[in-house]
Amino acid sequence: DAGVTQSPTHLIKTRGQQVTLRCSPKSGHDTVSWYQQALGQGPQFIFQYYEEEERQRGNFPDRFSGHQFPNYSSELNVNALLLGDSALYLCASSFYTGTGWNSPLHFGNGTRLTVT
Amino acid sequence: GQNIDQPTEMTATEGAIVQINCTYQTSGFNGLFWYQQHAGEAPTFLSYNVLDGLEEKGRFSSFLSRSKGYSYLLLKELQMKDSASYLCAVRDEQSSTLGRLYFGRGTQLTVWP
Repeated sequence: DAGVTQSPTHLIKTRGQQVTLRCSPKSGHDTVSWYQQALGQGPQFIFQYYEEEERQRGNFPDRFSGHQFPNYSSELNVNALLLGDSALYLCASSFYTGTGWNSPLHFGNGTRLTVT
Repeated sequence: GQNIDQPTEMTATEGAIVQINCTYQTSGFNGLFWYQQHAGEAPTFLSYNVLDGLEEKGRFSSFLSRSKGYSYLLLKELQMKDSASYLCAVRDEQSSTLGRLYFGRGTQLTVWP
């Protein structure tokens, strides 16, 4: 049973460039959330996708956008990269139970983005 | 807003017991999670508390007091492989149906032989 998979594992970009990160949720999961984890910090919620729509968004600028595909996989796009965007980007999957998303999140190993 | 506080670092020796505390202030409450994260790896789920009291799972136990906004993770019979960051995360009332978690900064635990 495959867990949450993310690609690429590492990425180096320069300021002003754009980046796309990819995530495949755990089998049986239909919801994907993205978190940003700066060095020495806890993960910070970026947004959540369910039924191919953004359902909730954290305190991140519009440079951060996403997409969910019919197979539940997801992409995170970041435009006009800043040095401060350097972080570990974690994808987490869960599933809708009918009353909410009450189950624990399952995380992927993340994509380490370095902006120079 | 949400404020979750936990110690930055802790050390302990192999075979010992360690308690990692977490305090939180959130707008409503709908569950507290503990995750373990080894360097360069994904956070993995350890425990979940939504009611007051102690939840035990093998060498790991987690306690919650909602009135005090307080939780702890207890690790017994420490092993070298327990060296990791331990993340406390809270789900507030507003996001209870959406699954969003608010994380603390994590406690880096180092286990010495």
